[in-house]
Amino acid sequence: DAKTTQPPSMDCAEGRAANLPCNHSTISGNEYVYWYRQIHSQGPQYIIHGLKNNETNEMASLIITEDRKSSTLILPHATLRDTAVYYCIVSFPRGGSNYKLTFGKGTLLTVNP
Amino acid sequence: EPEVTQTPSHQVTQMGQEVILRCVPISNHLYFYWYRQILGQKVEFLVSFYNNEISEKSEIFDDQFSVERPDGSNFTLKIRSTKLEDSAMYFCASTVGQGGQPQHFGDGTRLSIL
Repeated sequence: DAKTTQPPSMDCAEGRAANLPCNHSTISGNEYVYWYRQIHSQGPQYIIHGLKNNETNEMASLIITEDRKSSTLILPHATLRDTAVYYCIVSFPRGGSNYKLTFGKGTLLTVNP
Repeated sequence: EPEVTQTPSHQVTQMGQEVILRCVPISNHLYFYWYRQILGQKVEFLVSFYNNEISEKSEIFDDQFSVERPDGSNFTLKIRSTKLEDSAMYFCASTVGQGGQPQHFGDGTRLSIL
């Protein structure tokens, strides 16, 4: 699985967009990009994932560059409850389905009032 | 929205004792996982399970660990003879397993070994 690089920490003002970058320059063509977050010691919470195209759901948007070597998670209107560690993970579903997630240290996003 | 549930939320056990952590994955999911997170450290993969057998396991998952799906709904992790270093949060996850669909995690069991 490709390795990812994320900044250790970021700050964001409440109500503003939070843009969290991730570098995955060694990603291969069949690897997906997954974003999770973890609040305190709760279980990792799935946010969004993508393969090639940009994706949007009710939580966030995922922008993947054309060469797929980096991506950005966008939280459009950050709230205090979005303060968490955000993980960008690249993984390939072996056999189309089974894959493990390799967590790094992630980015600690602090949303300030 | 369906979710992965784990019990107990906190388990305190004497060193050397056996412990069983329980998980109820999302009902239509087919792939099941255990991860652990030692306090202050990264979330680490332990094992994946599909079709009643282990698909992949990490170096952490030694002979002291075992997994089972005893009744078609529960998914358990057993540690036979616990050590102090087994103290951690243990997370269960599941996925439907189609086309890279995401894993969904439970809120974990905090295991404290005394």
